[in-house]
Amino acid sequence: GIQVEQSPPDLILQEGANSTLRCNFSDSVNNLQWFHQNPWGQLINLFYIPSGTKQNGRLSATTVATERYSLLYISSSQTTDSGVYFCAELDTGRRALTFGSGTRLQVQP
Amino acid sequence: DGGITQSPKYLFRKEGQNVTLSCEQNLNHDAMYWYRQDPGQGLRLIYYSQIVNDFQKGDIAEGYSVSREKKESFPLTVTSAQKNPTAFYLCASMGGRGTGELFFGEGSRLTVL
Repeated sequence: GIQVEQSPPDLILQEGANSTLRCNFSDSVNNLQWFHQNPWGQLINLFYIPSGTKQNGRLSATTVATERYSLLYISSSQTTDSGVYFCAELDTGRRALTFGSGTRLQVQP
Repeated sequence: DGGITQSPKYLFRKEGQNVTLSCEQNLNHDAMYWYRQDPGQGLRLIYYSQIVNDFQKGDIAEGYSVSREKKESFPLTVTSAQKNPTAFYLCASMGGRGTGELFFGEGSRLTVL
């Protein structure tokens, strides 16, 4: 099945800083999604982005399907951005999402 | 509002007991999934179902069982054969038979005493 690699595994920022999270994929990109897991464990949908660029407030994402990677940008970070960010891509053999191991972000005041 | 409801949110179980986690969705999605998350780890696929009365094993199905008798419901049973059942369990659903966006319930946290 598809392999999903996320980097960096951990990230500590001061409030107001910008950051870039990356996902690399071992196979073609068809159904790429980004999630944020809050401290209570809930997974929040950020972007459904098989290709191109999308923006939602201070967050934006870019997927370059031909090169099998995606980037999540967080600008002017806030303490509420803390948590774990996951990317996931479809394993076409079984039509289920495979998740990366996540980037744990801590934004300090 | 449409969504995915998991229950219970917290569950304690003695060793040797089976326990069933409920997952109900009113999004009219065909596909449903169960993932397991251990502390500090990513999500691993337990079972998935693309259509009623059909389901498939994921990467870590041993010690678990599921049923899909109704489109809206996909319960997960953690059996006594699961050697390390303490974990956070997440149910999800997707429209378009695996081609749409995935949505999650709030999760069930199981602790075995």
